[in-house]
Amino acid sequence: GDSVTQMEGPVTLSEEAFLTINCTYTATGYPSLFWYVQYPGEGLQLLLKATKADDKGSNKGFEATYRKETTSFHLEKGSVQVSDSAVYFCALSRNAGNMLTFGGGTRLMVKP
Amino acid sequence: EAQVTQNPRYLITVTGKKLTVTCSQNMNHEYMSWYRQDPGLGLRQIYYSMNVEVTDKGDVPEGYKVSRKEKRNFPLILESPSPNQTSLYFCASSLSPTGVGEKLFFGSGTQLSVL
Repeated sequence: GDSVTQMEGPVTLSEEAFLTINCTYTATGYPSLFWYVQYPGEGLQLLLKATKADDKGSNKGFEATYRKETTSFHLEKGSVQVSDSAVYFCALSRNAGNMLTFGGGTRLMVKP
Repeated sequence: EAQVTQNPRYLITVTGKKLTVTCSQNMNHEYMSWYRQDPGLGLRQIYYSMNVEVTDKGDVPEGYKVSRKEKRNFPLILESPSPNQTSLYFCASSLSPTGVGEKLFFGSGTQLSVL
């Protein structure tokens, strides 16, 4: 079945540091890939997405590229802020499907 | 404001006592779903609905029921809750299937504890 694996946290960084959160997936076909973010006490919000190979999703300084050859969708940001502290979830959805398969989540803590 | 509203936010109950968690969306979305979030496991889909009176099982449907009598509402029913259903529950909705890249709108969550 489909699965998503992402690095365990917590990831602790200083403000303005470079961020990478690794995400790899297993799925047949060409799924859509997503990063969702969960701030404390809130529901998840879509951060970015990519729907086909080599697409780059970007939003709020975050980027991720759909790599079919390595089945990866790593999240990056060049300079993190304290306000980026949250839990980040990588997810996939099968073509024409209506279910997101999530990774376990990675907690990011950014210190001033 | 476009939103998905869940109630209650927190719920403590005892084993076997039937409960309902309500979910409502004001975006006229066709698709609605329920997920549970457990530490280290991410979110897993319980049930989803593609339209009124059309529902289907997700990955972890055992012990849960749903109904979709109106487009805006999608309640989650636990007929006989057990401690292993202690979890954080999210309702979500979307205009189109997630498989075409559509984003989900999530509610704020319901923290359920079954004693």
